[in-house]
Amino acid sequence: GNSVTQMEGPVTLSEEAFLTINCTYTATGYPSLFWYVQYPGEGLQLLLKATKADDKGSNKGFEATYRKETTSFHLEKGSVQVSDSAVYFCALSDPHTGGFKTIFGAGTRLFVKA
Amino acid sequence: EPEVTQTPSHQVTQMGQEVILRCVPISNHLYFYWYRQILGQKVEFLVSFYNNEISEKSEIFDDQFSVERPDGSNFTLKIRSTKLEDSAMYFCASSAREPSTDTQYFGPGTRLTVL
Repeated sequence: GNSVTQMEGPVTLSEEAFLTINCTYTATGYPSLFWYVQYPGEGLQLLLKATKADDKGSNKGFEATYRKETTSFHLEKGSVQVSDSAVYFCALSDPHTGGFKTIFGAGTRLFVKA
Repeated sequence: EPEVTQTPSHQVTQMGQEVILRCVPISNHLYFYWYRQILGQKVEFLVSFYNNEISEKSEIFDDQFSVERPDGSNFTLKIRSTKLEDSAMYFCASSAREPSTDTQYFGPGTRLTVL
């Protein structure tokens, strides 16, 4: 079945450091891929998405590229801020299996120190 | 910006009791969902709802669970007889189209504590 695997956290970085959070997926079809962010005490917010191979999603300085050949969708940011501290979830939705649900990875907690 | 709202924010109940979690999706959305997140664990899909019927459900969504859209604006999740392991954060979500093609908007969640 479909699944998402992302790197375990927590990830601790200093402000202005480069961020990479790895995400790989398994899907029977050609899924849409997402990154969601969950700030402390809040719900999930869509950060960015990509719906087909080689698409790059970007938002708020974060970006991720849909790589079909490596089944990956790694999240990157060139210079993190303290306000980026949150839990980041990689996710997929596969229209070939109905597409009525989103499958989430386990989440990666990011701490950014001033 | 329109948002999904959920009530209550925190519900405490005794094992075996029934609970109803309420959600108000974004008004022009047609697809509705419930997910749950056990503390410190991944977000798990429970059920999706479209055109007044369940379109997909997970193995977690057994006979103890039901969903309803009673009045065209609310979307509810009922747990008939709560168990300790139902303690989790429950998130409602909605989208204008199916999630593979459209953004799902999530509510802030209801924290359910079963004692």
